[in-house]
Amino acid sequence: DAMVIQNPRYQVTQFGKPVTLSCSQTLNHNVMYWYQQKSSQAPKLLFHYYDKDFNNEADTPDNFQSRRPNTSFCFLDIRSPGLGDAAMYLCATSRDLGGGNNEQFFGPGTRLTVL
Amino acid sequence: QQPVQSPQAVILREGEDAVINCSSSKALYSVHWYRQKHGEAPVFLMILLKGGEQKGHEKISASFNEKKQQSSLYLTASQLSYSGTYFCGTGSNDYKLSFGAGTTVTVRA
Repeated sequence: DAMVIQNPRYQVTQFGKPVTLSCSQTLNHNVMYWYQQKSSQAPKLLFHYYDKDFNNEADTPDNFQSRRPNTSFCFLDIRSPGLGDAAMYLCATSRDLGGGNNEQFFGPGTRLTVL
Repeated sequence: QQPVQSPQAVILREGEDAVINCSSSKALYSVHWYRQKHGEAPVFLMILLKGGEQKGHEKISASFNEKKQQSSLYLTASQLSYSGTYFCGTGSNDYKLSFGAGTTVTVRA
């Protein structure tokens, strides 16, 4: 089945130790998003790619970076994780942008723990 | 700007109905509804576009009043499988969705 896949599902890292989260999609969608979701809160958009064009949200910390080497894959790099970065990280895709009327398909998420 | 959802939580018995509201201070182009079960990804339910349309998904339906910048999600004859957290995502004249804080629905037998 076409889907959004995230690896790993659970990631434990140490304070300050870089970590990379992975997302892949078989939907051939143009747009890939990364959200951070803390417990009992709404998903918060960190950034998105439209094809190769990267768009960072204004309040996304510099500690968070992303790469999209091809249509199918997108990575979230956290350069120096702090305790406050512990959260569920959700990857989503949509066929296109525009007017917010494109359905977003979410992956199962990666739960990040920072020790 | 984040839309406001109400109520924060609701507890139902199987077969009961509930309404979840979502309101925004911004002009809206669309409203998306998602359901997320604990530890899982949000699952898309439906999109409502400008024009005051209504849609349905099983016994879950929704309305969108663009003048009032509000949407409501109606859970009819609730089933145990309806339990989860419901998020509305509002789309304005830019590319992104702003999600509400969620409404946790618990359906008990």
